[in-house]
Amino acid sequence: QVQLQESGPGLVKPSQTLSLTCTVSGGSISSGGYYWSWIRQHPGKGLEWIGYIYYSGSTYYNPSLKSRVTISVDTSKNQFSLKLSSVTAADTAVYYCARGRMTTITFDYWGQGTLVTVSS
Amino acid sequence: EIVMTQSPATLSVSPGERATLSCRPSQSVSSNLAWYQQKPGQAPRLLIYAASTRATGIPARFSGSGSGTEFTLTISSLQSEDFAVYYCQQNDNWPHTFGGGTKVEIK
Repeated sequence: QVQLQESGPGLVKPSQTLSLTCTVSGGSISSGGYYWSWIRQHPGKGLEWIGYIYYSGSTYYNPSLKSRVTISVDTSKNQFSLKLSSVTAADTAVYYCARGRMTTITFDYWGQGTLVTVSS
Repeated sequence: EIVMTQSPATLSVSPGERATLSCRPSQSVSSNLAWYQQKPGQAPRLLIYAASTRATGIPARFSGSGSGTEFTLTISSLQSEDFAVYYCQQNDNWPHTFGGGTKVEIK
């Protein structure tokens, strides 16, 4: 059973960089056929896809966030990470990591989510 | 980017009744549409992909239909565990966008 777990600070100051890591267990990030994604959900709102990374390192980011987002992968640790720079209160959200399946282009496994609050 | 519009925002249904949820993309997405269920405090769960294919382990009371710019998720007989928020997502064009959700609540 594949499991994903987000980790990182729950509080980030405005203008700083939000950093989260997703640890994958029960399956290898290096196995083909999947893309590893970050998705966020503002409090009480809908879902916003942030971007994804393939195990090879190729990435795609939501154009609305592209200038501030970096997603990286560490296959040796079976982890992938998100960095979001120059954060504001508008970046306060629950951040999810998820596995995307290439054949169906859907998210079949998700982490439990972690709330990140941007506040001084 | 493709804008996904879901309606209604809230649907009040009695247990055992049928629920019909709508999703309309701003442009055609062919059959590249998925539905997710989200319960409070939980991550979304994949229900339907390719507009009408149930994901593994999803009960037959959930069905999806449609193509292009009109899609429907039907829950044939609502069970207590089905009261949740439902999101559609298009996976035809990047960025893959989600709808605003439909909350199915107990009437």
